[in-house]
Amino acid sequence: GAVVSQHPSRVICKSGTSVKIECRSLDFQATTMFWYRQFPKQSLMLMATSNEGSKATYEQGVEKDKFLINHASLTLSTLTVTSAHPEDSSFYICSAIRGQKSLFFGSGTQLSVL
Amino acid sequence: DAKTTQPPSMDCAEGRAANLPCNHSTISGNEYVYWYRQIHSQGPQYIIHGLKNNETNEMASLIITEDRKSSTLILPHATLRDTAVYYCIVSPNTGGFKTIFGAGTRLFVKA
Repeated sequence: GAVVSQHPSRVICKSGTSVKIECRSLDFQATTMFWYRQFPKQSLMLMATSNEGSKATYEQGVEKDKFLINHASLTLSTLTVTSAHPEDSSFYICSAIRGQKSLFFGSGTQLSVL
Repeated sequence: DAKTTQPPSMDCAEGRAANLPCNHSTISGNEYVYWYRQIHSQGPQYIIHGLKNNETNEMASLIITEDRKSSTLILPHATLRDTAVYYCIVSPNTGGFKTIFGAGTRLFVKA
């Protein structure tokens, strides 16, 4: 069964609104989680590394004020897309490290901004 | 930049073995080889990983060359449900490692 739960699976919002995506590790504690985005027919692009109790580390070119990441507990990381615009429409995926050697992924969130 | 090179696509007949190659010529001594696959509109699924010895689990086998510069993922009896994009990744086996995805191989299993 799934070990990383991501919610919602699909969201449609109006331009200018903010959207929050949750990523939960179900049966383990994850001090580190990762967030990716994926455009159609392309590979996953790492956006940021989320560390429990500290600020996230963003990859070059990713706007930290645009994509807010909070990792307040050992089982939950959230990604908030602020003031979303149509170009933010994408498939967002989270992952979590279990036991320092296994990386498990959520099922992804399809964001469509109208 | 991704540290691996994979063919962009491959075909395989249903019931036959699918052999997916991966080149990782710059792999470091502490880096493992991981394989994931992604079925359309889903998150990647872990398949297998290894350091230098060949590995086998219920899903697949992983063959790593002696110099560790390349590896092959083997799906022994491919089914239609194995149609997916397969990603080969190298990463140190420590907490906090970043997983950088290359383009992967799009495997088509045909009836």
